[in-house]
Amino acid sequence: GAVVSQHPSWVICKSGTSVKIECRSLDFQATTMFWYRQFPKQSLMLMATSNEGSKATYEQGVEKDKFLINHASLTLSTLTVTSAHPEDSSFYICSAPRSGSGLLNEQFFGPGTRLTVL
Amino acid sequence: QKEVEQNSGPLSVPEGAIASLNCTYSDRVSQSFFWYRQYSGKSPELIMSIYSNGDKEDGRFTAQLNKASQYVSLLIRDSQPSDSATYLCAVNDRQGAQKLVFGQGTRLTINP
Repeated sequence: GAVVSQHPSWVICKSGTSVKIECRSLDFQATTMFWYRQFPKQSLMLMATSNEGSKATYEQGVEKDKFLINHASLTLSTLTVTSAHPEDSSFYICSAPRSGSGLLNEQFFGPGTRLTVL
Repeated sequence: QKEVEQNSGPLSVPEGAIASLNCTYSDRVSQSFFWYRQYSGKSPELIMSIYSNGDKEDGRFTAQLNKASQYVSLLIRDSQPSDSATYLCAVNDRQGAQKLVFGQGTRLTINP
């Protein structure tokens, strides 16, 4: 399958600081990437769709000013959690659909970033 | 009503048996269907994708799609303890072909 990387794999920060998470598609270009959040023992929750060259599309209830998304190139999207608080502690995962797979639009996930806010 | 429904389990299957995971979806225009495996503490891994009615086999995995019944399933033959994980069913979104809607996942345990 296609390869998507994330950095960092885990981060611990103090309350009130900002954290940037990078998502890269390593062997294909991705005009669209998705950012998910997953709390323990819960399913994936889609936060936003990252669009290369344009603004991200946020899901209902997700604060766009708190979760800043930048899709700077066809292989890189970043999620910045601004003024992080303990309730933002979660597993953040990005994914990218690989174009050219026809109807399937197979989507590949990065390994995830575990954020802990103290 | 949820758009993608899965039995949350846990589903326990003895080693070597066939594990059967089921998923129903509500949107008739959905075109693509996916099964992901997620180990505890890890991100989801794509294991099967299907868009045509019928069966699609890949090694020990078989995906089955019935669009008339809006039903997709995953069979795992010769189940191994390493197959113990949560299996997520995903369906492409009506409004954007690339956006996926996930079920809540079925937790599968293979007992040695």
